[in-house]
Amino acid sequence: GAGVSQSPSNKVTEKGKDVELRCDPISGHTALYWYRQSLGQGLEFLIYFQGNSAPDKSGLPSDRFSAERTGGSVSTLTIQRTQQEDSAVYLCASSFQRTSRIEFFGPGTRLTVL
Amino acid sequence: DQQVKQNSPSLSVQEGRISILNCDYTNSMFDYFLWYKKYPAEGPTFLISISSIKDKNEDGRFTVFLNKSAKHLSLHIVPSQPGDSAVYFCAAPLQGGNTDKLIFGTGTRLQVFP
Repeated sequence: GAGVSQSPSNKVTEKGKDVELRCDPISGHTALYWYRQSLGQGLEFLIYFQGNSAPDKSGLPSDRFSAERTGGSVSTLTIQRTQQEDSAVYLCASSFQRTSRIEFFGPGTRLTVL
Repeated sequence: DQQVKQNSPSLSVQEGRISILNCDYTNSMFDYFLWYKKYPAEGPTFLISISSIKDKNEDGRFTVFLNKSAKHLSLHIVPSQPGDSAVYFCAAPLQGGNTDKLIFGTGTRLQVFP
């Protein structure tokens, strides 16, 4: 596809379960970002990957959150032992290089923790 | 501490009239600002940006004004169209390290009615 894709589009899980969210960036984009939008909040930075550099994990809210990017392409965001406050829309974005102007966001994964 | 604030959660404007969306920031180090538009179930799309060396940037029906002394920016849409109905976010990159993390406001939902 031409854009950033994310799967699943919706995920409902029970408190305490682990979830994995997937992001397929635009081919050739070396930078990949994860953000989340909680109800009534702005987008909150989570993590950033740039090429082979160590990721910037400074936005991850707790050690239950982790992310990896395999082969410089697909990224997976994992949330362990989900809590109700993890409910949010998780957005992935990619860009050709490090940029202040992110233009390509995916449609997001809506996570609901019951 | 919210560094980017959008104090109006919603705005309703008649088609053909001007829409003015406001954004305030607290971090005087911000030197670049962006506006994004977001439709339901879609990722944000970049709309327009402005550098702090300018006080106005125009792109078709969209104009962004920046008042650095007041730490305030606004997005003007004229004439407003029903297709402009969306949530609008302002954002600024927090430069530092190896990431330009975008700091987002909480958004303003614009409704343009016929």
